[in-house]
Amino acid sequence: QKEVEQDPGPLSVPEGAIVSLNCTYSNSAFQYFMWYRQYSRKGPELLMYTYSSGNKEDGRFTAQVDKSSKYISLFIRDSQPSDSATYLCAMSAWGSNYKLTFGKGTLLTVNP
Amino acid sequence: GAGVSQSPSNKVTEKGKDVELRCDPISGHTALYWYRQSLGQGLEFLIYFQGNSAPDKSGLPSDRFSAERTGGSVSTLTIQRTQQEDSAVYLCASSHSGGPGEQYFGPGTRLTVT
Repeated sequence: QKEVEQDPGPLSVPEGAIVSLNCTYSNSAFQYFMWYRQYSRKGPELLMYTYSSGNKEDGRFTAQVDKSSKYISLFIRDSQPSDSATYLCAMSAWGSNYKLTFGKGTLLTVNP
Repeated sequence: GAGVSQSPSNKVTEKGKDVELRCDPISGHTALYWYRQSLGQGLEFLIYFQGNSAPDKSGLPSDRFSAERTGGSVSTLTIQRTQQEDSAVYLCASSHSGGPGEQYFGPGTRLTVT
């Protein structure tokens, strides 16, 4: 079992839909949780960062962390065609928090 | 300001040859990271530099891989005697202090070993 599991999709939704992206993990030492967006042929860019459990909202994006279930989510409201990209979850542990472990990414397409 | 830059953007090499990949971090960032992104494995940590501290090389897949960071700025990732399984996108990131949630990635170098 990989440390971080992420459904690769692809996921296709109509413009304006609410998108839910998820990752599960097995390492209980993970404390820091991130979501990155990666456009084709580009490097990942950080969308959301959360420490430990809880919710965080930034505009149309909401990140949730449930450490008891080892489950993290990213919600995108009012999705736009410009949101079409690969979404990567990443996490790291206390003591080596710089060393990110990534999911394999979910490819999202938002259709106009 | 300028982001992380990497060169070359694409590299095609023959099996058995050595390659050098370059990373220019964001000015003032003390931490620098190398990752590898391949279809089968996703994005994997390779090595981490922080200031003058000894680097964390725990992610390097074999002794054919090495990296240097000169003057606390530019970094070079060297792969010796390349193999076809080394084909991947090599991504560099930098951050101000080495904490999570602040790594800025470059566009990557796409390496193809024929």
